[in-house]
Amino acid sequence: SQQGEEDPQALSIQEGENATMNCSYKTSINNLQWYRQNSGRGLVHLILIRSNEREKHSGRLRVTLDTSKKSSSLLITASRAADTASYFCATDARGNNRLAFGKGNQVVVIP
Amino acid sequence: DADVTQTPRNRITKTGKRIMLECSQTKGHDRMYWYRQDPGLGLRLIYYSFDVKDINKGEISDGYSVSRQAQAKFSLSLESAIPNQTALYFCATSDYRGANYGYTFGSGTRLTVV
Repeated sequence: SQQGEEDPQALSIQEGENATMNCSYKTSINNLQWYRQNSGRGLVHLILIRSNEREKHSGRLRVTLDTSKKSSSLLITASRAADTASYFCATDARGNNRLAFGKGNQVVVIP
Repeated sequence: DADVTQTPRNRITKTGKRIMLECSQTKGHDRMYWYRQDPGLGLRLIYYSFDVKDINKGEISDGYSVSRQAQAKFSLSLESAIPNQTALYFCATSDYRGANYGYTFGSGTRLTVV
């Protein structure tokens, strides 16, 4: 079964705005990861946050993790047209040693 | 050259045919994975391997088999293809420490079974 469930499923924003996506999961995790996929291509790893971390930054990306609520959010600040993609969260559940992916969020940034 | 190379990129095959999808990597990673992606379903794990002698079923292994020929090569076979195996297939690798590092994905193989 899918561990991650992203919300919302599709987002359309103007260039320069911020984009926020959420992900919920069901079991205890070692870490949670976010990936980007440009249309029909391979996924690219963006950022990993460990279960004992609450917030992490990488460039224009900010990830938060709330293990009490079993949820995470990905914020992309000052979005660009090149950020148009699908974004997936993936969880490494404890004892599994493999990632389970959510269904993905489609983000469209309008120039 | 890409870190993770999948061949072929696209393939159309007929129902009942045997087909093999190949994956090779230059990352030196021990762990390799096969996922399939269907619209609206995200990525689902088919098989994974933590080293050459280790093969494990994922959540949707029925109808598939794999072979880990070397640390760098992991192939996926459909013994008798059926139309509902039409999907985008991805190979991925990760470091032996797996859990704390991101996966590296190939560009995918788009398979159509007619």
